[in-house]
Amino acid sequence: NAGVTQTPKFQVLKTGQSMTLQCAQDMNHNSMYWYRQDPGMGLRLIYYSASEGTTDKGEVPNGYNVSRLNKREFSLRLESAAPSQTSVYFCATRRDRGITGELFFGEGSRLTVL
Amino acid sequence: AQTVTQSQPEMSVQEAETVTLSCTYDTSESNYYLFWYKQPPSRQMILVIRQEAYKQQNATENRFSVNFQKAAKSFSLKISDSQLGDTAMYFCAFGGNKLVFGAGTILRVKS
Repeated sequence: NAGVTQTPKFQVLKTGQSMTLQCAQDMNHNSMYWYRQDPGMGLRLIYYSASEGTTDKGEVPNGYNVSRLNKREFSLRLESAAPSQTSVYFCATRRDRGITGELFFGEGSRLTVL
Repeated sequence: AQTVTQSQPEMSVQEAETVTLSCTYDTSESNYYLFWYKQPPSRQMILVIRQEAYKQQNATENRFSVNFQKAAKSFSLKISDSQLGDTAMYFCAFGGNKLVFGAGTILRVKS
């Protein structure tokens, strides 16, 4: 029972390169989220998806795009990476559409942009 | 905008003692959930405890309990009988569809 799986776990990019972080869940949850974690700033929401086919911006969406491919998968794309996007990225899921229920997190992906 | 403030960047406690981590938040909503998450050095985010805003009773999970003061918008975490395995970063979070996280408190348990 994998839960929430993120790939890759580590990635080094050069400024201007593009890449996609993949997230897949086998928990049959409706909502999926992408957060970034930076020292002294906690976790900040980039995008979330309340259900298949819908996405919405979070607190820090600039420079990112997302795709909710199906109920299981939610990808995060950096079209032209910048050093400010160096961070640890977490995918998370949540069972309920509403306010109930905790987030279940993947193990995180450490991205370094040189 | 909804905000969460954890005013203690770092704390330390002796093994077997009790420690309280502070959290305050700001919202105009009346119904929401509050959470404490733990992040050990492995980086995995682990749910410690959650509180429903409409419930008066403070949540408890074994050695972990909260002091929820809705009017003061305060949600502190008390860890009793601290253990070395409690060493971690602790995040307070609250919200509805979108969870907002605080900056975190690093807790070190010393033997």
